[in-house]
Amino acid sequence: GAVVSQHPSWVICKSGTSVKIECRSLDFQATTMFWYRQFPKQSLMLMATSNEGSKATYEQGVEKDKFLINHASLTLSTLTVTSAHPEDSSFYICSARAPGQGTYEQYFGPGTRLTVT
Amino acid sequence: KQEVTQIPAALSVPEGENLVLNCSFTDSAIYNLQWFRQDPGKGLTSLLLIQSSQREQTSGRLNASLDKSSGRSTLYIAASQPGDSATYLCAVSGGNQFYFGTGTSLTVIP
Repeated sequence: GAVVSQHPSWVICKSGTSVKIECRSLDFQATTMFWYRQFPKQSLMLMATSNEGSKATYEQGVEKDKFLINHASLTLSTLTVTSAHPEDSSFYICSARAPGQGTYEQYFGPGTRLTVT
Repeated sequence: KQEVTQIPAALSVPEGENLVLNCSFTDSAIYNLQWFRQDPGKGLTSLLLIQSSQREQTSGRLNASLDKSSGRSTLYIAASQPGDSATYLCAVSGGNQFYFGTGTSLTVIP
């Protein structure tokens, strides 16, 4: 149980275009989902926290108008990278937490590698 | 803000050795600590989760300990194998916030 999927697993796009990444909890309902970014040979950095039905909370330094997050249902959150530039090339990973879970354990998706040319 | 540090940054050992990876954190007010494995270009695989009230967790050849008061955790890998080669990340949870360490890149030499 507790499986999180991401789509696509990798994407290449041209500079200036927008890219949408989906994160789904497959066998549980996730009231809270998280988006992380990981640059080569670095650790994961939290970008934003999204709660179903409300606006996402962005970490300091993350542009909310550039990284649009939508958590429209209890099983789906999307991250849209708008007007992508080469410096946005990174590995994006989402995670989800089930409601009422005292362990605060997060379940991670397999990641999406974005390359902007 | 919580800061998580892992030492060493890289480790190379011959197959069969036992080894210890270290993780330290600055704020002891955590809900849990989790160890992950990440293979190159891949996502995270959860290895062990230790609740704040627990001292250790074991799974197969892996044993993780937690000393909340001193802000330390260790991941012990027994009888290392080449397949254990990967980057190991620890992360602490302060409720909704999840802070990752800098990672230890492990290479097990056949």
